[in-house]
Amino acid sequence: RKEVEQDPGPFNVPEGATVAFNCTYSNSASQSFFWYRQDCRKEPKLLMSVYSSGNEDGRFTAQLNRASQYISLLIRDSKLSDSATYLCVVNGGGGYQKVTFGTGTKLQVIP
Amino acid sequence: DGGITQSPKYLFRKEGQNVTLSCEQNLNHDAMYWYRQDPGQGLRLIYYSQIVNDFQKGDIAEGYSVSREKKESFPLTVTSAQKNPTAFYLCASSLVGSSPAAFFGQGTRLTVV
Repeated sequence: RKEVEQDPGPFNVPEGATVAFNCTYSNSASQSFFWYRQDCRKEPKLLMSVYSSGNEDGRFTAQLNRASQYISLLIRDSKLSDSATYLCVVNGGGGYQKVTFGTGTKLQVIP
Repeated sequence: DGGITQSPKYLFRKEGQNVTLSCEQNLNHDAMYWYRQDPGQGLRLIYYSQIVNDFQKGDIAEGYSVSREKKESFPLTVTSAQKNPTAFYLCASSLVGSSPAAFFGQGTRLTVV
C-alpha cells in the first residue's frame, strides 16, 4: 500500500459545483497534514493545513479522519480558476524526511 | 519580498556533464530541501538540510550532491552518475519544527540532450 494515495482524476466539474477529494495515508503515527495546489508546470503552493477539528478557508474546507486515516478537501462554488492539481501531503513525524507527497488529484472546472 | 529563488528556470545538459541548480532563500528558514517531480508521480525527496554544513540523503539521492555552506543557499549538483536526470526539480524551505509547511521555488526544468 502506498504511504499516501490520491485518486488522480481528472475530476471534471461545472462552475458552481461542489467537489471533494480524499487522500488516504498508511502511517497511523502521521502528525501533520496539508493540501497544496499545483498549476501546470508550476511549483506547488500551500493551500491549507489540515487540523484535527477541521478547518475552513473561504470556499475550501479541509477535514481529517484519524480513525479511517484520510484527509479530505471540499471546494464549494467551484471557479474556473480552481482548475489545478491538488496534492495531499502527510508528515509522518520524526523530522521532515518523513513528509510524503501524494501524486495529486487533477481538477478541471468547466464553464 | 521574501521568497525562494531557483535558477535557471530551464536547463539543458549533454549526457556525461555535471550541472548545478541554484536555490536561494531569504525567508530565514533553517531547513531546505530538493525534490524531483516526474510526470504522473509525486514529489520525491533528493536531499534535505536542517542546518548549515549538514545535510541528509532523501529517497533518491544517488547521482546527486548538495552543499549547505550558507543558510540562504542550497545548490544541487546533478552528476553524470544520475541515469535519468530529465525532470522538474523543486527546491523548498521551511522552519524547523514538528509540523513544517514547506514553501517552494519556481522550479528548474532540466532536460538532457
